[in-house]
Amino acid sequence: NAGVTQTPKFRVLKTGQSMTLLCAQDMNHEYMYWYRQDPGMGLRLIHYSVGEGTTAKGEVPDGYNVSRLKKQNFLLGLESAAPSQTSVYFCASSYSRQGRDADTQYFGPGTRLTVL
Amino acid sequence: AQSVTQPDIHITVSEGASLELRCNYSYGATPYLFWYVQSPGQGLQLLLKYFSGDTLVQGIKGFEAEFKRSQSSFNLRKPSVHWSDAAEYFCAVGAGGATNKLIFGTGTLLAVQP
Repeated sequence: NAGVTQTPKFRVLKTGQSMTLLCAQDMNHEYMYWYRQDPGMGLRLIHYSVGEGTTAKGEVPDGYNVSRLKKQNFLLGLESAAPSQTSVYFCASSYSRQGRDADTQYFGPGTRLTVL
Repeated sequence: AQSVTQPDIHITVSEGASLELRCNYSYGATPYLFWYVQSPGQGLQLLLKYFSGDTLVQGIKGFEAEFKRSQSSFNLRKPSVHWSDAAEYFCAVGAGGATNKLIFGTGTLLAVQP
């Protein structure tokens, strides 16, 4: 049981390049989330998904796109990277809102992205 | 709107001393409250959470937190800090609705002196 995994762990991009970050979970969670973490700002929600084939915007969605084609995977795309997107990106997953485990999110190890 | 405030950006304690990290939240109903810990270069690990019932919650690694509705607080405590507790600590509140979204505080960085 690997939990939540993220690939890649590190990446350096040039401004204008594109890339996709992959998140995978093996806990059969319905909900998945992408956050970015910046110094002094905590974690901010970029996009989330409440099920296969569905996505929604979070707090800071501009410049990002997501897809959830399979229940276990949640992809975060940057179509044209900008230096402001330099950050650490975390994926998380959770069960749907039922019972005492509701709202508990399980996090991946993160992807450190630098945009030059 | 829901929000979480962690007023202490950085705290330094001596090993063996007690610890209290502050967290205040804004939420209209009974909240779900969480404390996560992030070790350097790692993801976030759940320490404990308040769901309902007993307001004193026990977590992993000897941590506990107390929910005080009258003060809108959920402070994290540990009676004796170990050097391995050096990390960043995040308080979060469940944003409600059917999406399990969390609102995070900005974090408190804990340093432990020998």
